[in-house]
Amino acid sequence: GAGVSQSPRYKVTKRGQDVALRCDPISGHVSLYWYRQALGQGPEFLTYFNYEAQQDKSGLPNDRFSAERPEGSISTLTIQRTEQRDSAMYRCASSSVTDTQYFGPGTRLTVL
Amino acid sequence: AQSVTQLGSHVSVSEGALVLLRCNYSSSVPPYLFWYVQYPNQGLQLLLKYTSAATLVKGINGFEAEFKKSETSFHLTKPSAHMSDAAEYFCAVRGNRDDKIIFGKGTRLHILP
Repeated sequence: GAGVSQSPRYKVTKRGQDVALRCDPISGHVSLYWYRQALGQGPEFLTYFNYEAQQDKSGLPNDRFSAERPEGSISTLTIQRTEQRDSAMYRCASSSVTDTQYFGPGTRLTVL
Repeated sequence: AQSVTQLGSHVSVSEGALVLLRCNYSSSVPPYLFWYVQYPNQGLQLLLKYTSAATLVKGINGFEAEFKKSETSFHLTKPSAHMSDAAEYFCAVRGNRDDKIIFGKGTRLHILP
C-alpha cells in the first residue's frame, strides 16, 4: 500500500476487556515499530520487529502487553485486561533496515 | 543512552516571522536526529533528518535544522511562518546501533495573524 495503515482508528472498550490493534506496514519494509503517545506527550517506544523476530520489547509497560508479527508483515499489539491508564494513541511505524521510520495514523484507544 | 529535550511546550510567532524551535540532545554515540510534525488529527510526518552527511539539513515546507555538536543542539528554523505551519513538532534521536527512536515531549507552534 501507499503508507502504513492501522486499524481500528478508534477503539472504545471497557476496563478488563482485551483489545487487539493491527498494523499493516509499507510493503517490503523489514522493520516495524510500536509506540504509545499519551495526550500532550511525545511517542514512547514499546517494541520493534525485524521481519518476524521481536528485537526489543523493553518499552512494553507490563506483561499485559504483547506483540507479534508472525509472517514478517502485519503486526498485532494486544493488551489484555485493559485498564484506564492504557488509554492513549498507539502508533505503528515501519522502515527499511536502519532507514527512516514512516508512521501510520494511529489507533486512539479509550478504556472506560 | 539517548534523550531529547525540547525547550518550550508552546511557541507563538506572528505570520511572516522567523520560526525557531529548540532541541537539545544527549547521545552516547553519534546520533541520528529527526524532526517530525503532527498536524491536527493526522499522523506523524517526517520534516527532516540528520545522518552525519551535512550539518545543515533542509526539509520539507521550507524548514531546516542545523546540527551543532559543540552545543548538542538541533534547532528547527523557518524564515517566514505561514498559518499552515500551526502544528505540534517533535524532535527525536536515534543511536546508530539502536533502532528505536526517542522523542521529545513536543512543541506546539501557534501562528498569530
